[in-house]
Amino acid sequence: NAGVTQTPKFQVLKTGQSMTLQCAQDMNHEYMSWYRQDPGMGLRLIHYSVGAGITDQGEVPNGYNVSRSTTEDFPLRLLSAAPSQTSVYFCASSYDSSPYNEQFFGPGTRLTVL
Amino acid sequence: GIQVEQSPPDLILQEGANSTLRCNFSDSVNNLQWFHQNPWGQLINLFYIPSGTKQNGRLSATTVATERYSLLYISSSQTTDSGVYFCAVSDYGGSQGNLIFGKGTKLSVKP
Repeated sequence: NAGVTQTPKFQVLKTGQSMTLQCAQDMNHEYMSWYRQDPGMGLRLIHYSVGAGITDQGEVPNGYNVSRSTTEDFPLRLLSAAPSQTSVYFCASSYDSSPYNEQFFGPGTRLTVL
Repeated sequence: GIQVEQSPPDLILQEGANSTLRCNFSDSVNNLQWFHQNPWGQLINLFYIPSGTKQNGRLSATTVATERYSLLYISSSQTTDSGVYFCAVSDYGGSQGNLIFGKGTKLSVKP
């Protein structure tokens, strides 16, 4: 049971480039989400999904797209990277969308946009 | 929306000392978790504790939901306890499990 996995661990992009951050979980969790963490800050929610085929926006969704074609995977896409998107990105999952559930986090992806 | 405040923002301890970290929240919550972010950036679940008291080794946590605060106790601190401790809550009025994080307490344990 690998839990929540993220790839890559580190990435450097140039302004305007696109890329996809991968997130997968093997716990059969329905709820998955993406957060970003900036220096000196807690995590802020970007997008979330309550199940395959269903996604919604969080607190800071601009510049990011998501899709959820399977229960296991929840990729985050940056269509045109900007320096303001330099951050550490965390993926999380929980059993379902109930706010009562414990959430589990992946190891993070450190992204630098030049 | 709900506000989460953690105190103190920074804490320096000598190895072996005890400490208490506090998390205040501005509204009723139905989910509260404590996380430890180690120096390598990994977030580790410490406690899922929307109410009551739990203990895990040298760490324990208490949430008093009616008074809107939670406390994380670290006893006999070790250098490996260093890192940032986050409190995160889910809004009682919300329908989804979206966590709202505090800004964290940065703990440094000196040998």
